[in-house]
Amino acid sequence: KQEVTQIPAALSVPEGENLVLNCSFTDSAIYNLQWFRQDPGKGLTSLLLIQSSQREQTSGRLNASLDKSSGRSTLYIAASQPGDSATYLCAPKENFGNEKLTFGTGTRLTIIP
Amino acid sequence: NAGVTQTPKFQVLKTGQSMTLQCAQDMNHEYMSWYRQDPGMGLRLIHYSVGAGITDQGEVPNGYNVSRSTTEDFPLRLLSAAPSQTSVYFCASSYTTGGEQYFGPGTRLTVT
Repeated sequence: KQEVTQIPAALSVPEGENLVLNCSFTDSAIYNLQWFRQDPGKGLTSLLLIQSSQREQTSGRLNASLDKSSGRSTLYIAASQPGDSATYLCAPKENFGNEKLTFGTGTRLTIIP
Repeated sequence: NAGVTQTPKFQVLKTGQSMTLQCAQDMNHEYMSWYRQDPGMGLRLIHYSVGAGITDQGEVPNGYNVSRSTTEDFPLRLLSAAPSQTSVYFCASSYTTGGEQYFGPGTRLTVT
């Protein structure tokens, strides 16, 4: 059974800093991995989708990397802004046809102005 | 496009009552699914559908029913609500196998 761990559970950094969020998963037989952000009381917003054959995926100030064999993904946020404050979730998708995403409990990020 | 929509946003039920959570998408996505989110736990898959007329169970299906009569809609039915079903429910959809998944805004359900 796939298990996802995100460490740390919470992170506070001053505005402008670059930061890295970590995600580890136990079963490397994944199809892809998706990163989301969730604002308090809101739904999930997709940030990046990285396929199992890819090493990196970039969107604006965000860069996601994937090392499938070691069961790790990182989300790099450059030049952080207060609007980046949210909970970040990673979710690997199983290598089957049910589209199931497995979620960890996320990293709650606070950017201090 | 409205994306994935869910109604209602909030609902309070008494134990034993039944209700249907609505989910709709206007992106012509084949795959739709329901998750629940509880404090201290990751989102867990309840039921999913790979197309109209096809549904299957996820990780925590007990107490919930689904059907998919159209591509656009995927309602989740609570047959006899229990306090353990107090949660936030999210609907998601994707266009293809392994495609990017889009989530709705959620329904916050409280069962007393």
